[in-house]
Amino acid sequence: QSVLTQPPSVSGAPGQRVTISCTGSSSNIGAGYHIHWYQQLPGTAPKLLIYGNNNRPSGVPGRFSGSKSGTSASLAITGLQAEDEADYYCQSFDNSLSGLWLFGGGTKLTVL
Amino acid sequence: QLQLQESGPGLLKPSETLSLTCTVSGGSISSRNYYWGWIRQPPGKGLEWIGKIHYSGSTYYNPSLKSRVTISVDTSKNQFSLNLRSMTAADTAVYYCARLPGCSGGSCRFDPWGQGILVTISS
Repeated sequence: QSVLTQPPSVSGAPGQRVTISCTGSSSNIGAGYHIHWYQQLPGTAPKLLIYGNNNRPSGVPGRFSGSKSGTSASLAITGLQAEDEADYYCQSFDNSLSGLWLFGGGTKLTVL
Repeated sequence: QLQLQESGPGLLKPSETLSLTCTVSGGSISSRNYYWGWIRQPPGKGLEWIGKIHYSGSTYYNPSLKSRVTISVDTSKNQFSLNLRSMTAADTAVYYCARLPGCSGGSCRFDPWGQGILVTISS
């Protein structure tokens, strides 16, 4: 069980807005460490989607945005498109034990 | 642009040691601004960070794997490598290598990633 908790699945119709939550604790998100988000299309490697809580790498559409508050973070996708159907992972650092970089369990986005 | 490519065996027997190499092209592994790391993903499951290394040789490992893992770097070949000992079926996964920018204060991210290599453990 991951220390960063994501819903296993979310869905939405084309054009709609969906959000994916990532709930952590005081040893990771709540401690101020950055949250990053990745998109993994079927059969491919993950790709960085959002870094540093709310920054988009070059080439990532403005439809994707990130936010963080307290011990939680969210990824929002507006104007949902069929090509957005993928797995999404949040990632941060946890300072418990010896410290480790960890991922959420992943969320499968289905475009209806 | 920077590219990473994993190489190594795709099939191992239980108790054997996995040795994978990640070749970096389009940039130098000897940049002080980056770490380089390994991540794995069992079939149909989520991502697990294995460890990371700086060109200086500084390493950090996932505590759950630390007793079995060694990551090394060869700056002359622009490569870094993963050794994972005493493999079991539970280690069957796609293994990815990645660059880790932004590691100040612990907030590393993984970008870009290699395409991944499936490693299967079976007798």
